[in-house]
Amino acid sequence: DAGVIQSPRHEVTEMGQEVTLRCKPISGHNSLFWYRQTMMRGLELLIYFNNNVPIDDSGMPEDRFSAKMPNASFSTLKIQPSEPRDSAVYFCASSRTSYYNEQFFGPGTRLTVL
Amino acid sequence: SQQGEEDPQALSIQEGENATMNCSYKTSINNLQWYRQNSGRGLVHLILIRSNEREKHSGRLRVTLDTSKKSSSLLITASRAADTASYFCATDGGQFYFGTGTSLTVIP
Repeated sequence: DAGVIQSPRHEVTEMGQEVTLRCKPISGHNSLFWYRQTMMRGLELLIYFNNNVPIDDSGMPEDRFSAKMPNASFSTLKIQPSEPRDSAVYFCASSRTSYYNEQFFGPGTRLTVL
Repeated sequence: SQQGEEDPQALSIQEGENATMNCSYKTSINNLQWYRQNSGRGLVHLILIRSNEREKHSGRLRVTLDTSKKSSSLLITASRAADTASYFCATDGGQFYFGTGTSLTVIP
């Protein structure tokens, strides 16, 4: 199994540009999570999907952030327009059932907004 | 505010010594999980302890849970240089939260 795959691994963009982060969860996993990690705020859960349906998006910072999961093998996190304070490492994780069980993390996308 | 707070924030020990990290949380939970993160990498699950369990072992790891005090500890015995990483607790009381993490350095 290839594990959780994220792309791109690094993204540098200018303020105001649209950014799209991609994630492929482990096959057979029913839950997918997007996290943001910064020194100041630590690791924050942004959104949680179960069976492709958003269950909890209370961690999404504002309307500039949106996430989709069109099928069981693909999810995107979009930031439009991006701002310097969005600079962080974004992780995608998946689990067989829910966050009550072991989550498998991807390698992360390091986003820098200039 | 975050559900889990960990202490110490940083810990430095000699190889072969034991390392203990603590996690405190605020609301009732179903499970508590511990994860490790090596620098620049994603998190790796270490162990899950259910709210009705008090202690659990996995190799050199020992986790305890005291629901009355809303706290957990992670003990790594006979530490190795490869254990150098950040360690996070994660709780699922209502919402899912990661703690602030403990940065462990094991000196060879």
